[in-house]
Amino acid sequence: AQTVTQSQPEMSVQEAETVTLSCTYDTSESDYYLFWYKQPPSRQMILVIRQEAYKQQNATENRFSVNFQKAAKSFSLKISDSQLGDAAMYFCAYRSATSGSRLTFGEGTQLTVNP
Amino acid sequence: EAQVTQNPRYLITVTGKKLTVTCSQNMNHEYMSWYRQDPGLGLRQIYYSMNVEVTDKGDVPEGYKVSRKEKRNFPLILESPSPNQTSLYFCASSYPGGGWNEQFFGPGTRLTVL
Repeated sequence: AQTVTQSQPEMSVQEAETVTLSCTYDTSESDYYLFWYKQPPSRQMILVIRQEAYKQQNATENRFSVNFQKAAKSFSLKISDSQLGDAAMYFCAYRSATSGSRLTFGEGTQLTVNP
Repeated sequence: EAQVTQNPRYLITVTGKKLTVTCSQNMNHEYMSWYRQDPGLGLRQIYYSMNVEVTDKGDVPEGYKVSRKEKRNFPLILESPSPNQTSLYFCASSYPGGGWNEQFFGPGTRLTVL
């Protein structure tokens, strides 16, 4: 079974600075997808960014980018030019490419943005 | 507007009193799923459904039931709730086949069992 681990329960960053959230996963599969979700105080789950395992190029969405290291099974999220609205719980998630639509989530990292 | 809706959003109940949390989606998605979110544990899958009348257990199915009689609806049933089922519950839907397909989440239901 796949597992996803986020070792940082809490992180903080100054507004306009850069922060990196860590995520590691364990799988025996070679083809899969990785996601970062944001959960603001409203509790809504918002997809931030996604990465296909067979693509070496790291995904980027505006101020959000990932560092995908397939051999190390690492998938970190970098937030550049942090804004107050980035404050939220962030979840890393894994989905197999062959075994359906199920998402396996990490424990979450609570990000605080200080003005 | 494409969305997943859940009702109720908040519920406080007592041990043993049967309850149902409804979930409905308007995107014609085949796949639907229920998750529970607990501090320090992230989201864990309870049950999922690949299509009408097709359901299966996720990681934490004990104490829950589901049904999928219509494509758009996927209710979560707690027949005899217990305090350890106090949690935040999310319904999600997507097209089947996993992969790139984004899962759309409902707004969540905060359940407290006294």
